[in-house]
Amino acid sequence: GQSLEQPSEVTAVEGAIVQINCTYQTSGFYGLSWYQQHDGGAPTFLSYNALDGLEETGRFSSFLSRSDSYGYLLLQELQMKDSASYFCAVNRGGSYIPTFGRGTSLIVHP
Amino acid sequence: GAVVSQHPSWVICKSGTSVKIECRSLDFQATTMFWYRQFPKQSLMLMATSNEGSKATYEQGVEKDKFLINHASLTLSTLTVTSAHPEDSSFYICSATADINYGYTFGSGTRLTVV
Repeated sequence: GQSLEQPSEVTAVEGAIVQINCTYQTSGFYGLSWYQQHDGGAPTFLSYNALDGLEETGRFSSFLSRSDSYGYLLLQELQMKDSASYFCAVNRGGSYIPTFGRGTSLIVHP
Repeated sequence: GAVVSQHPSWVICKSGTSVKIECRSLDFQATTMFWYRQFPKQSLMLMATSNEGSKATYEQGVEKDKFLINHASLTLSTLTVTSAHPEDSSFYICSATADINYGYTFGSGTRLTVV
């Protein structure tokens, strides 16, 4: 089966940098995705890493190490609006069916 | 970008009644759509994979006779919660993808309250 581990909660102050880690176990790995979800809203796609390395999109970056079954989401210049839940996701072994981690609640303080 | 529309955004129904939730891909064709259920402060739990023109594939523990899924066209999948009970109250979300490299697009979700 698949399993993903990510911290349940992370707190940081405005302007800081925060890293949310995700370790996973799955067969037939295609890639690691990250999603943001605000309270009461639907998840929105942030990034997808199929290959090792760092992908940068504005203030957000995502990293993947396939050999370590590990990835992280890096958020820079934190803003209050970044307070949300962040989910990592991998595909179910050999398919495109996504399995989500339990989510990390990011709380940004002034 | 890919857009998925989900309706209704919220619904309150009486125990024993049925509720239908629609999920539409607006600017792309989705041969596969996914239905999730989410409890407060918890992860997205996949309920079923909806396949256009064929039967849905349900996850273990999900009652297929209770959660009816129909994917009659490449742009529409429906989830019907039959004989709803208070324990079915939850946030239901659908998703689809036009290109896996750009991730999955989620509908806005439906908050179901059964009273």
